[in-house]
Amino acid sequence: DAGVIQSPRHEVTEMGQEVTLRCKPISGHNSLFWYRQTMMRGLELLIYFNNNVPIDDSGMPEDRFSAKMPNASFSTLKIQPSEPRDSAVYFCASTPPGPLYNEQFFGPGTRLTVL
Amino acid sequence: QKEVEQDPGPLSVPEGAIVSLNCTYSNSAFQYFMWYRQYSRKGPELLMYTYSSGNKEDGRFTAQVDKSSKYISLFIRDSQPSDSATYLCAMSAGNYGQNFVFGPGTRLSVLP
Repeated sequence: DAGVIQSPRHEVTEMGQEVTLRCKPISGHNSLFWYRQTMMRGLELLIYFNNNVPIDDSGMPEDRFSAKMPNASFSTLKIQPSEPRDSAVYFCASTPPGPLYNEQFFGPGTRLTVL
Repeated sequence: QKEVEQDPGPLSVPEGAIVSLNCTYSNSAFQYFMWYRQYSRKGPELLMYTYSSGNKEDGRFTAQVDKSSKYISLFIRDSQPSDSATYLCAMSAGNYGQNFVFGPGTRLSVLP
């Protein structure tokens, strides 16, 4: 099993540019989570999907952030326009259906630097 | 007061020591308690999963939950340099991830 796949692994961009992060969850998993991790704030849940439907996006910091899950095997997190304070590691995680919901399988993360 | 508190460390111990990592929480609705381990530049991975109060042992790792005190612990026996990582506690109110939240993590270094 390939695990959760994220791309790109590293992204360096300039303030004001659009950034798109991609995630492929584990096959068969039906919930997907986007997190942001910084030294100051730790691991913050941004949004999660169940069966491709956004369930809770209360963690999305502002309108510059948007996330989509067009099908069970793909999700994107977009930041437009990007700002230096968006610099962080962004993780995607997925969980299988059923009572193992609390066991989240994380991808390797995308390290974003906004100059 | 934050919902979940954890000493950020860093905690440095010699190889072979017993390590105790702890979290306190404020939400009495939490029933499921997890410990995740995160190596540098990697995503977190689930290490231990417990329900309600009590102990759970898995090899060198023991997870302990005291709901009356709102306090959970992870003990590592015979610690190894390969245990050097950040340990994040996590908890939720239901087995479908209701109110799922991570602690800030404790950075552990086990020195050879």
